[in-house]
Amino acid sequence: DIQMTQSPSSLSASVGDRVTITCRASQSIRTYLNWYQQKPGKAPELLIYGASTLHSGVPSRFSGSGSGTDFTLTISNLQREDFATYYCQQSYNTLLYTFGQGTKLEIK
Amino acid sequence: VQLQESGPGLVKPSQTLSLTCAVSGDSITSPHWWNWVRQPPGKGLEWIGEVFHSGNTNYNPSLKSRVAISVDKSKNQFSLNLTSVTAADTATYFCTRAGVSVAGFDSWGQGNLVTVSS
Repeated sequence: DIQMTQSPSSLSASVGDRVTITCRASQSIRTYLNWYQQKPGKAPELLIYGASTLHSGVPSRFSGSGSGTDFTLTISNLQREDFATYYCQQSYNTLLYTFGQGTKLEIK
Repeated sequence: VQLQESGPGLVKPSQTLSLTCAVSGDSITSPHWWNWVRQPPGKGLEWIGEVFHSGNTNYNPSLKSRVAISVDKSKNQFSLNLTSVTAADTATYFCTRAGVSVAGFDSWGQGNLVTVSS
């Protein structure tokens, strides 16, 4: 299995801040890394795929980078609607997709 | 594309959990893999498995002995069966679509909470 480890598990920030969430894979996954946003009681939504490509309709304040084993999700100019839980997912091994444990972004 | 899960919200231990995902706005025979993902209350996401319209499947090895995912082309839907359930199977179950030109799961159902309890 490819293990995905996110850090931090939670963080507090204010509207207008810039935040970065990190995801590390247990082996190289090239750029087969996706990011999801999940709000309470809702299904996850795809934000970024291929490590850095914004999914349709996703605001440009979201950005992703990385390759190999280390990846980051950056949210610039945080908006109130961005406070949610974020998950990374590897799609390198499509016989066993795996997710990070999640990062909860809370309002400070 | 819209995906809609349906099925019981309560299943007894040792019984079989059965859920269906109705697909609208896309054909189940399009070149997508159709997936199930679950999330225990307050916890993270776990991939269960997937099916292609040909009937080909891939399953999470941790669940493989208990899982079956199938497709019904006539109803444009796919289904999940999970046998011998225990309390550890209590979760919200999501059906999702794996993208073709878009990597990752680009469409999700709203989720179906299934509680395993006697």
